[in-house]
Amino acid sequence: DTAVSQTPKYLVTQMGNDKSIKCEQNLGHDTMYWYKQDSKKFLKIMFSYNNKELIINETVPNRFSPKSPDKAHLNLHINSLELGDSAVYFCASSPIGGGLGKTTEAFFGQGTRLTVV
Amino acid sequence: AQSVAQPEDQVNVAEGNPLTVKCTYSVSGNPYLFWYVQYPNRGLQFLLKYITGDNLVKGSYGFEAEFNKSQTSFHLKKPSALVSDSALYFCAVRKSGGGGATNKLIFGTGTLLAVQP
Repeated sequence: DTAVSQTPKYLVTQMGNDKSIKCEQNLGHDTMYWYKQDSKKFLKIMFSYNNKELIINETVPNRFSPKSPDKAHLNLHINSLELGDSAVYFCASSPIGGGLGKTTEAFFGQGTRLTVV
Repeated sequence: AQSVAQPEDQVNVAEGNPLTVKCTYSVSGNPYLFWYVQYPNRGLQFLLKYITGDNLVKGSYGFEAEFNKSQTSFHLKKPSALVSDSALYFCAVRKSGGGGATNKLIFGTGTLLAVQP
């Protein structure tokens, strides 16, 4: 009963390939995110979806295309992979809004370590 | 725009001593503030949060944090460090309430906590 699960955990691929990372949450949250953690461990938000609708796109190259078939899933497809795409990608989910006594924090998956060679 | 600063890349402390990991933030309006911990090759785990109310919040594993509005700070503290506390700690901020882009969770650059036996 993992709250936020990502697959695969590791992904090694050649430059120029297209790959997808899948994410699913069973928390009933309305909002899902993709974050990228680079080699210096910096965490940068890439995308956020509310109820399948894109609400945040942080100037990510259009080779990255998120897709949310329903509010429990947010997949990340990457075209024409480049060496600089090597990183750990984290999926997360959180409820909308929040307040005292309510859940406001985001829950993270275990990450997908993408290595482009 | 929201931002978080963690001024220390690394904090070293002897086991049994108190520890502090610093965080300052910038956000328009009222903030929701969070601390997360990341163990090697793992995802982010939620530690604690400040939403409103008492400025001192307690979280998992004996950690606590103090919200200081005038100094826009949210420092993480623990009275007595354990070797097992050694990990990467992230402070994060988002705007209070609402949905949409206000749900954007922005992270600091992380602070590596090293607890020596």
